[in-house]
Amino acid sequence: GESVGLHLPTLSVQEGDNSIINCAYSNSASDYFIWYKQESGKGPQFIIDIRSNMDKRQGQRVTVLLNKTVKHLSLQIAATQPGDSAVYFCAAPEGAGNMLTFGGGTRLMVKP
Amino acid sequence: DAGITQSPRYKITETGRQVTLMCHQTWSHSYMFWYRQDLGHGLRLIYYSAAADITDKGEVPDGYVVSRSKTENFPLTLESATRSQTSVYFCASSESGHPYEQYFGPGTRLTVT
Repeated sequence: GESVGLHLPTLSVQEGDNSIINCAYSNSASDYFIWYKQESGKGPQFIIDIRSNMDKRQGQRVTVLLNKTVKHLSLQIAATQPGDSAVYFCAAPEGAGNMLTFGGGTRLMVKP
Repeated sequence: DAGITQSPRYKITETGRQVTLMCHQTWSHSYMFWYRQDLGHGLRLIYYSAAADITDKGEVPDGYVVSRSKTENFPLTLESATRSQTSVYFCASSESGHPYEQYFGPGTRLTVT
């Protein structure tokens, strides 16, 4: 079964607000997590990753938080822009050959 | 053009036909992957390759065949297409030191009638 999963299939935010996309995982041995962004009609694009020895990692306008106690990670997007509209996937290595298993995805819609 | 390309972008085929989806990358990445994306299932790994002449099954390999005679190419063949293989197929590649930081192609939308 799926070991990474997103909490909400759709998230709607106002332009300029912060967005928070959540993901839960079940395998406590998971030591690496990745977020991908997929715009309509395109392939997924790597955003940011985090190792289990970290609680937080920041990129450009994005922050990933990892809570190993409750096996939860989140992707925070600051000052959400229309170009952030996409489906966001969390992923972790496991399964066949320890390759990536993707969660179901959350669609982020940005209202002008 | 540099990057990762897939062809064809769209394909309609009939049940029972053999069809090959092509994937080409110009980065000389060691790893290459094939995923399928379906509503309700997200992205699922079909096959992957760690290097030329090395391929391994992913989560959903049944009905598919891959080969990798050259580093830059990773074709996916459906030997006898079925309607359940109607999907969007993505190829991806990554460097050997960063297998999880994958670069995806634009996808091939395959319809099996």
